Amino acid sequence: RKEVEQDPGPFNVPEGATVAFNCTYSNSASQSFFWYRQDCRKEPKLLMSVYSSGNEDGRFTAQLNRASQYISLLIRDSKLSDSATYLCVVIGGGGFKTIFGAGTRLFVKA
Amino acid sequence: EPEVTQTPSHQVTQMGQEVILRCVPISNHLYFYWYRQILGQKVEFLVSFYNNEISEKSEIFDDQFSVERPDGSNFTLKIRSTKLEDSAMYFCASSDQGSSYNSPLHFGNGTRLTVT
Repeated sequence: RKEVEQDPGPFNVPEGATVAFNCTYSNSASQSFFWYRQDCRKEPKLLMSVYSSGNEDGRFTAQLNRASQYISLLIRDSKLSDSATYLCVVIGGGGFKTIFGAGTRLFVKA
Repeated sequence: EPEVTQTPSHQVTQMGQEVILRCVPISNHLYFYWYRQILGQKVEFLVSFYNNEISEKSEIFDDQFSVERPDGSNFTLKIRSTKLEDSAMYFCASSDQGSSYNSPLHFGNGTRLTVT
């Protein structure tokens, strides 16, 4: 099993759609979780941290289920500018090693 | 907003040569990292650095690689005797606290290394 696994995508959605991305991780001792976005040939940029209680930032909602070792990202009212690759990031228990998922590509079309 | 800066943006080198990739982390950050991303593939962890020593490294980070913080601001990645498969985008990142504090990484723009 991969350490961090994401929906392979790509997701092609119209503007205004709601889209959900899923991510699972294998190390039950993992402590920190994030969603990053990466535009083509650019550096990853933090989208949001993921907290156990779930958290929301505008149109974006992140959820964490430790029992199922599952993280999700929901994007509401998709914009053209949301087109990017979304990276699930997990930091291993007790260490500094950061594991990136392979990413899910999102295309939002007018 | 403070940012992580990397130089050069693109480095071309011949196989077998040594390269040094440079990074200036955010000034009050204490944890430093190098990642690489081969074109079309996922971001891979190489090494983390804290308190002037390596805190963790991946299987990729073998004897060919070394990191250094030569002064109070720079953080470098040296690749000795480069190989074709070292061609990738190398990202430096920093954070103000360790992983246990849910501290996000701040990435530099990356150095694209091309080994010919």
